[in-house]
Amino acid sequence: EDQVTQSPEALRLQEGESSSLNCSYTVSGLRGLFWYRQDPGKGPEFLFTLYSAGEEKEKERLKATLTKKESFLHITAPKPEDSATYLCAVQDGSARQLTFGSGTQLTVLP
Amino acid sequence: DAGITQSPRYKITETGRQVTLMCHQTWSHSYMFWYRQDLGHGLRLIYYSAAADITDKGEVPDGYVVSRSKTENFPLTLESATRSQTSVYFCASSESTEYQPQHFGDGTRLSIL
Repeated sequence: EDQVTQSPEALRLQEGESSSLNCSYTVSGLRGLFWYRQDPGKGPEFLFTLYSAGEEKEKERLKATLTKKESFLHITAPKPEDSATYLCAVQDGSARQLTFGSGTQLTVLP
Repeated sequence: DAGITQSPRYKITETGRQVTLMCHQTWSHSYMFWYRQDLGHGLRLIYYSAAADITDKGEVPDGYVVSRSKTENFPLTLESATRSQTSVYFCASSESTEYQPQHFGDGTRLSIL
């Protein structure tokens, strides 16, 4: 059974204070690891897909990295508008469905 | 571009009643999904569909029924609602299941009294 664990559950940062969110996973044959952002009252918004260990993707202040056991979402010099819940999901070798973690709620204070 | 639309956005109903949540996508994506999101559980897959008239169970299908007569629509029905089905329901779609991200609607918040 695929498992995804995200840590920390909640993170409060000052504006400009860089940090990382962690997504640990166990999966039978990783097809892809997906990062999403979710704002209150909204659906998850797709950010990145990572396919293999060593891969990195960047978008504005966000950079996602992948190893064989975990993924990190690095946030550089965050702004208050980066406040959201960040979700990680994995797709296994059957490619039928995604397994989601419970998310990290990020708050960036001005 | 409308993308994926869910209706209603909010619904309150009583135990034992039937309720249908609607999902419509304008991308002509083959795959559509229904999830529920609960505190402490994250997003859990209820049902998915690979194409019109093809559906399959996800992790938590009990108490739910789906149909897909047209590619763009994927309604979810609770035939006899229970309080444990109080949740936020999200519909998603993707071009395929392999390597392609799923794109989500803004959800239906369902309360069952």
